[in-house]
Amino acid sequence: DAGVTQSPTHLIKTRGQQVTLRCSPISGHKSVSWYQQVLGQGPQFIFQYYEKEERGRGNFPDRFSARQFPNYSSELNVNALLLGDSALYLCASSNQIGREGQPQHFGDGTRLSIL
Amino acid sequence: AQSVAQPEDQVNVAEGNPLTVKCTYSVSGNPYLFWYVQYPNRGLQFLLKYITGDNLVKGSYGFEAEFNKSQTSFHLKKPSALVSDSALYFCAVSHLFSGGYNKLIFGAGTRLAVHP
Repeated sequence: DAGVTQSPTHLIKTRGQQVTLRCSPISGHKSVSWYQQVLGQGPQFIFQYYEKEERGRGNFPDRFSARQFPNYSSELNVNALLLGDSALYLCASSNQIGREGQPQHFGDGTRLSIL
Repeated sequence: AQSVAQPEDQVNVAEGNPLTVKCTYSVSGNPYLFWYVQYPNRGLQFLLKYITGDNLVKGSYGFEAEFNKSQTSFHLKKPSALVSDSALYFCAVSHLFSGGYNKLIFGAGTRLAVHP
């Protein structure tokens, strides 16, 4: 079975532009979470979606938004890009939420570079 | 607030020797702890988790972790290191919010270098 897939793998943008990142969860998984990993740091939680609804949001500005589709795939949108948005964006899926100890399974990420 | 700390930026070990990557945690309530590994230009791979029960948790690729409640630690171990174990290792705690969603809170990571 395929794991979590993300596209594109790399992306270069300039300040002020907008970007859309895509994620397909593991088959059967209904929850998708997005994390930002800045170089040299651990991943930071951005959003969690379950059954097409936003269930949680981390401490990120409103320039960050996301949605989940009926097939449980997800998009992360970032507007008005800043240099500080340069990072690896990771998508993770799990088959349910609301239960402690549920592992999340990560994709290989999208490397976003802002010039 | 939930948090984890990885006190070592890098751990160096010779191939064949045992390895330990340290993690301490701070949680309110029961801890739900994870270890993930990240290879260059890849995402995070799940290694193991602690929910409850035995203090020694066995995971993938021969790794295990020792949970110590009194020391609030969850150290990752392997009896005999391989060069291919060289990677970035993250400890994480799971936090369940009142809205019914849960997120992983990660440490800063520890780079493991295994030398031939």
